[in-house]
Amino acid sequence: DTEVTQTPKHLVMGMTNKKSLKCEQHMGHRAMYWYKQKAKKPPELMFVYSYEKLSINESVPSRFSPECPNSSLLNLHLHALQPEDSALYLCASSQGDREVKNIQYFGAGTRLSVL
Amino acid sequence: EDQVTQSPEALRLQEGESSSLNCSYTVSGLRGLFWYRQDPGKGPEFLFTLYSAGEEKEKERLKATLTKKESFLHITAPKPEDSATYLCAVQGKELTGGGNKLTFGTGTQLKVEL
Repeated sequence: DTEVTQTPKHLVMGMTNKKSLKCEQHMGHRAMYWYKQKAKKPPELMFVYSYEKLSINESVPSRFSPECPNSSLLNLHLHALQPEDSALYLCASSQGDREVKNIQYFGAGTRLSVL
Repeated sequence: EDQVTQSPEALRLQEGESSSLNCSYTVSGLRGLFWYRQDPGKGPEFLFTLYSAGEEKEKERLKATLTKKESFLHITAPKPEDSATYLCAVQGKELTGGGNKLTFGTGTQLKVEL
């Protein structure tokens, strides 16, 4: 089973709202990722968590706040977003073990629209 | 900086008409080259990973090959259900804090017609 589950599938929010995206995996993976993908563009890495610690933040604005409560869960908290933040947000996970060849498995994504 | 270039940007094939997609890359310390398939509005679906020049992987009508500078995704006798965007990505050196960074190409949008 290589399933990564993301909720919700779709989200519409105003610029003053606070919302959260959720991601869950039960493959025992220790690295989890958030990507942003605009239409007809490749995924862009936002954050990486390794063993529940933030490993990389690709200069993402502070209105995006990641959280990794445990090894199976990853959240992305959203606040005061701009219309240009509308995109498909993808979560991925990989084994995260230095000795293992890591494959990133992606969820189906959350389609976010900011009005 | 790792770079990936895919060509063509778009490809239209008749059912049964075989072809190849190209992925050229430059990376410092290749730790893997990955092919993904992505349907509209969905997340990328893992297809293959290749680790060393000369390696080949096959799955149904797809075959991926790797050289020191590029990878090819060969599609034999494609069907309409093979229509999707095919993404190539490279994984370079491991991140200092752990985890792995994939650098993606812009993809090839494949359309297979009856």
